[in-house]
Amino acid sequence: GQQVMQIPQYQHVQEGEDFTTYCNSSTTLSNIQWYKQRPGGHPVFLIQLVKSGEVKKQKRLTFQFGEAKKNSSLHITATQTTDVGTYFCAGQRAAGNKLTFGGGTRVLVKP
Amino acid sequence: EPEVTQTPSHQVTQMGQEVILRCVPISNHLYFYWYRQILGQKVEFLVSFYNNEISEKSEIFDDQFSVERPDGSNFTLKIRSTKLEDSAMYFCASSVRPYGYTFGSGTRLTVV
Repeated sequence: GQQVMQIPQYQHVQEGEDFTTYCNSSTTLSNIQWYKQRPGGHPVFLIQLVKSGEVKKQKRLTFQFGEAKKNSSLHITATQTTDVGTYFCAGQRAAGNKLTFGGGTRVLVKP
Repeated sequence: EPEVTQTPSHQVTQMGQEVILRCVPISNHLYFYWYRQILGQKVEFLVSFYNNEISEKSEIFDDQFSVERPDGSNFTLKIRSTKLEDSAMYFCASSVRPYGYTFGSGTRLTVV
């Protein structure tokens, strides 16, 4: 079945530094979505990427969808303590199909 | 901002008992989902529901599980004869289109 993998599993970042988390799917995707889950909270939708090579920005967050539509990345610049949480990518093989989540990257920020 | 509401927030049940987890999706949403997350692990798909029927279900969603939308507002997940390994956080989600889900706060199910 479809698998979505994320690396790293944990990311310890000094406040103010940048980091990137990577997502890879075993199958070509129709779209990829990113969610953030704060400790003790629920996943919150951040963004959806649909087109091959697409890049979208939300303030300090930059999301990219690979040319082959099998991988994605999330880059955060100037990390803040509010960025703490687990970032999940989630892929759909076709619009409307089940959303398969990656294992998440848990981000810890050192002040 | 509209929310997906889940009750109860925490349910403790004895192994073998039946539980019903309740969700009130956002009112104009058309797609409904149940996911679960075992502590510290990935979010796992259980079932999706559209147009009053199951549109897709995972291997986890066997005969032990069922979903209902009994009255046009509630969306329930029933687990018959619970097992220890059913202990997890169960999230309901809904969406207007088949992406960009809004998740509820979850029900933590503990089977003892």
